[in-house]
Amino acid sequence: DAGVIQSPRHEVTEMGQEVTLRCKPISGHDYLFWYRQTMMRGLELLIYFNNNVPIDDSGMPEDRFSAKMPNASFSTLKIQPSEPRDSAVYFCASSLGQGWGEQYFGPGTRLTVT
Amino acid sequence: AQSVTQLGSHVSVSEGALVLLRCNYSSSVPPYLFWYVQYPNQGLQLLLKYTSAATLVKGINGFEAEFKKSETSFHLTKPSAHMSDAAEYFCAVSAPGGSNDYKLSFGAGTTVTVRA
Repeated sequence: DAGVIQSPRHEVTEMGQEVTLRCKPISGHDYLFWYRQTMMRGLELLIYFNNNVPIDDSGMPEDRFSAKMPNASFSTLKIQPSEPRDSAVYFCASSLGQGWGEQYFGPGTRLTVT
Repeated sequence: AQSVTQLGSHVSVSEGALVLLRCNYSSSVPPYLFWYVQYPNQGLQLLLKYTSAATLVKGINGFEAEFKKSETSFHLTKPSAHMSDAAEYFCAVSAPGGSNDYKLSFGAGTTVTVRA
């Protein structure tokens, strides 16, 4: 199993630019989660999907952030426009059914906004 | 809502010494509890989980944790530290049965360094 795949691994962009992060969950998993990790705030859940449907987006910081899951094998997290305070490591994770927290994390995308 | 508190942001141990990482939880329903490990520049990896079965849970890499309801604790231990245990460790809680079934709440993390 290839595990959760995220791309790109590193992204450096200028303030105001659009950023798109990508995630491929483990095949067969029906839950997908997007997290953000910073030194100041730790790990924060941004949004999660069940069977491609967004269930809870209460963690999305503001309207500049959006996430989609067009099919079971692909999800995107988009920031438009990006700001320096968005600099963080963004993780995607997936789980199978009632995994009760047994989430499998991708390697993360380190985003730097200058 | 559920939450966890990890006591100590940094722990330094000698190789071969006991590793003890502390975690206390708060939950209005019987919780499920987890420890994850994050090695540098990697994602989080599940070490072990408690899901209301045995209170002493054994995980990978020689780690174990004990659920103590009376103390609302779920401390992580390893009898003998190895250099490869240097990483950041996160305690997490979920509260099954509600609208947030699959949401994990993470602690702030504890960084472990191992001295030769």
